[in-house]
Amino acid sequence: DAGVIQSPRHEVTEMGQEVTLRCKPISGHNSLFWYRQTMMRGLELLIYFNNNVPIDDSGMPEDRFSAKMPNASFSTLKIQPSEPRDSAVYFCASSLSRGYTFGSGTRLTVV
Amino acid sequence: RKEVEQDPGPFNVPEGATVAFNCTYSNSASQSFFWYRQDCRKEPKLLMSVYSSGNEDGRFTAQLNRASQYISLLIRDSKLSDSATYLCVVATFENTPLVFGKGTRLSVIA
Repeated sequence: DAGVIQSPRHEVTEMGQEVTLRCKPISGHNSLFWYRQTMMRGLELLIYFNNNVPIDDSGMPEDRFSAKMPNASFSTLKIQPSEPRDSAVYFCASSLSRGYTFGSGTRLTVV
Repeated sequence: RKEVEQDPGPFNVPEGATVAFNCTYSNSASQSFFWYRQDCRKEPKLLMSVYSSGNEDGRFTAQLNRASQYISLLIRDSKLSDSATYLCVVATFENTPLVFGKGTRLSVIA
C-alpha cells in the first residue's frame, strides 16, 4: 500500500487566493482526519470523517475553511480566501481501529 | 489548559545517555495512549503504544499512570538517530481523533 497520499507537497500562494489540499487515505480505512501544525500551536485537529461523514468540524478556524469527502478514497480541504496566518503544514491521516497513518503533509505558505 | 502537556525541551544529551520524557493529559475518558516521533519536516510516526502495565521495545520503555493521568517515555543508550521531536498522544476511542502534545525536542550529541 502506498500509504496516505497528500498533494501538493508544497504550495505557495498569494493572500486572497483559493487553496485546495488533497488527500487519498489508505484503502479500507474508514476514518480520515485533517490536522494543521504550526510552531506556536503544534498539531491541531481541524475536522474528521467516519465513513465519509463529517463528525466534528469544531476545529475548523472559520468559514474560510471547508472540507469534503465525496467518497472513501478522496478528501479535500479548501481555504477561500487564504490569509498569511493560514501558513502551516497540513496533515491528513486515516485510520482503521487503532492504526493511524499520516500523509507526508502539505506545506502551505500564503504571502 | 491544553489537553496534553509536555515539556518542550530541548533536551541535549550525549550519545549513550538515558533520557526521560513526561506528559500529562486532562481528559480522564482517554483510553488509548501513544508516543509518536516526528523528524524535521516529516510526518508524525508511531513510536509505540502505551499500556497500563508498561511496555518496552528495545531501548524504549513507556509507562502509564491512569490515576495521575501521566505518561512517560524512557530512552536508554541514546543514539544520534534518536534526535527528533517526541509527541505524547492520547485518544478516547478507536477511530476518534488523536490529541497531540506540542512535543519534546531531543538532540543527541556525539
